[in-house]
Amino acid sequence: GAGVSQSPRYKVAKRGQDVALRCDPISGHVSLFWYQQALGQGPEFLTYFQNEAQLDKSGLPSDRFFAERPEGSVSTLKIQRTQQEDSAVYLCAGSLSNNEQFFGPGTRLTVL
Amino acid sequence: QKEVEQDPGPLSVPEGAIVSLNCTYSNSAFQYFMWYRQYSRKGPELLMYTYSSGNKEDGRFTAQVDKSSKYISLFIRDSQPSDSATYLCAMSAMGRDDKIIFGKGTRLHILP
Repeated sequence: GAGVSQSPRYKVAKRGQDVALRCDPISGHVSLFWYQQALGQGPEFLTYFQNEAQLDKSGLPSDRFFAERPEGSVSTLKIQRTQQEDSAVYLCAGSLSNNEQFFGPGTRLTVL
Repeated sequence: QKEVEQDPGPLSVPEGAIVSLNCTYSNSAFQYFMWYRQYSRKGPELLMYTYSSGNKEDGRFTAQVDKSSKYISLFIRDSQPSDSATYLCAMSAMGRDDKIIFGKGTRLHILP
């Protein structure tokens, strides 16, 4: 595709439910990032992959958050036992080596 | 204190005015400085990128970085209603494909 796609675009979950958010980066983008953007805030770094290797997961807020990129292309961010404070827009970005990050439109997660 | 401070606004200016946006930061390891523009319900898109101190101009946009003062600015000349968006300052230590630390974002409204 022409850009980064994310699905679903909107997700409503009941507190305690597990959710899975998908990111399809631009073909050939070896680096992939996940960010969390709370309402009225800037994006905050969650985790980073280079190909299939997760090189930095220092931004994941708790062990309920898990990300994977098993074949070095599509990535999934999974949140277990969702809490209200997990409500945010989850952004995915990809880049070529030493190049700008291209962001997807995000998945807006609302936890009731 | 957050690593990157940015006034969230909103900032309203008449069409044609010069807009000045700025951020301060505390981490002297930052060497790559960026400005992203984010429209409502969209992902951020890179507007300007500067390495280390100095100025960079691209059309109506000028980015300035003063590392000695830990202060960065974005100027928009001849502002247009289509410039209405949230502007996020952003920075990283190792490069554009490193984890990015964002400011909170400034909401800008250009009044026709």
